[in-house]
Amino acid sequence: GEDVEQSLFLSVREGDSSVINCTYTDSSSTYLYWYKQEPGAGLQLLTYIFSNMDMKQDQRLTVLLNKKDKHLSLRIADTQTGDSAIYFCAEGSGQGGKLIFGQGTELSVKP
Amino acid sequence: GAGVSQSPRYKVTKRGQDVALRCDPISGHVSLYWYRQALGQGPEFLTYFNYEAQQDKSGLPNDRFSAERPEGSISTLTIQRTEQRDSAMYRCASSLISRQRRQETQYFGPGTRLLVL
Repeated sequence: GEDVEQSLFLSVREGDSSVINCTYTDSSSTYLYWYKQEPGAGLQLLTYIFSNMDMKQDQRLTVLLNKKDKHLSLRIADTQTGDSAIYFCAEGSGQGGKLIFGQGTELSVKP
Repeated sequence: GAGVSQSPRYKVTKRGQDVALRCDPISGHVSLYWYRQALGQGPEFLTYFNYEAQQDKSGLPNDRFSAERPEGSISTLTIQRTEQRDSAMYRCASSLISRQRRQETQYFGPGTRLLVL
């Protein structure tokens, strides 16, 4: 069945890089997503990657996809205290239909 | 511009009561989704619509849950005879449908936190 797994917590120092990992099971997923959830706010799409890509970079964010191992990671360079949030990875077809989310990784950035 | 809005933001109800949760999608967005998010978990799909047609309701947990979108815009998720296990954050999202069938981002609202006593 469809399943997305993430580690639950990550703590880093301000200025360090953060790497959040995710594994998924549905090999038919076309797109993989990273969403950010801050307290009291909705889920905000950070970035996404098409399944035939290995890497995507967007300013401080780098997404790496290992399709063979069904492993996705999000690297945040120069992590700031404002990056403290819960990060969800999700998979989907990208063309309508449901997203399957992981349980979220809580990132804590210490000054 | 206005994003996805949901009301109420918080709802406290007694077990056995019916509740109706409202979602107002981004103007012009064709697709509308409902998710439920338990504490400490990721959102879990419930159902979605294209225009007024319900495309997939496979995530609705039982027949106490229903959703409608009669005019293809605002949607209501109704939970009848609420139970304590229904307590969760209920999130709505909307997206365009692109003619080129490119990636269609789902934009999420702030959610309705439901507490059933």
